[in-house]
Amino acid sequence: GDSVTQMEGPVTLSEEAFLTINCTYTATGYPSLFWYVQYPGEGLQLLLKATKADDKGSNKGFEATYRKETTSFHLEKGSVQVSDSAVYFCATSGAGGYNKLIFGAGTRLAVHP
Amino acid sequence: DAMVIQNPRYQVTQFGKPVTLSCSQTLNHNVMYWYQQKSSQAPKLLFHYYDKDFNNEADTPDNFQSRRPNTSFCFLDIRSPGLGDAAMYLCATSRDRGQDEKLFFGSGTQLSVL
Repeated sequence: GDSVTQMEGPVTLSEEAFLTINCTYTATGYPSLFWYVQYPGEGLQLLLKATKADDKGSNKGFEATYRKETTSFHLEKGSVQVSDSAVYFCATSGAGGYNKLIFGAGTRLAVHP
Repeated sequence: DAMVIQNPRYQVTQFGKPVTLSCSQTLNHNVMYWYQQKSSQAPKLLFHYYDKDFNNEADTPDNFQSRRPNTSFCFLDIRSPGLGDAAMYLCATSRDRGQDEKLFFGSGTQLSVL
């Protein structure tokens, strides 16, 4: 079945460091890919998405490119801030004709001043 | 400002005692979802409503039921909670259910089973 694998956390970085969170997926058909973020005490919220191969999603300085050949959707940011500390979830839309999100287990990011 | 509201934030129940979790939305979205998230695991879809049409996932235990009396509200009923049902339960909505649709999540209800 469809699945998502993302790097285990926690990831601990200093402010202004470069961030990469790896995500790979297995899916049938032509899924859409998403990154959701969960700040402490809040619900998950959409960070960015890409709907077809080679698309780049971007938001708030974060980017991810839909790579069909490597079935990957790695999240990157050039310079992280303390306020980026959160849990990041990679997800793919599953088969079934509706937006059944298949999530990875989440990666906790801690950014220190 | 809150768009998807889950109550309560924390719920404690006893083994085998029925419990209901609530979700409401102010977005007037057609689709409402319930996800279960166990500690350090990926959120897992239990079921969703597309308007009044209930859609159960194949591997959702019969112990889990849902009701959607109107557009704004959706309930998750656990008929006989077991220790393995302790988890965070996430409610989400989307305007429609195409694969590109953005989901809006509530803050979740953390369920403990004693």
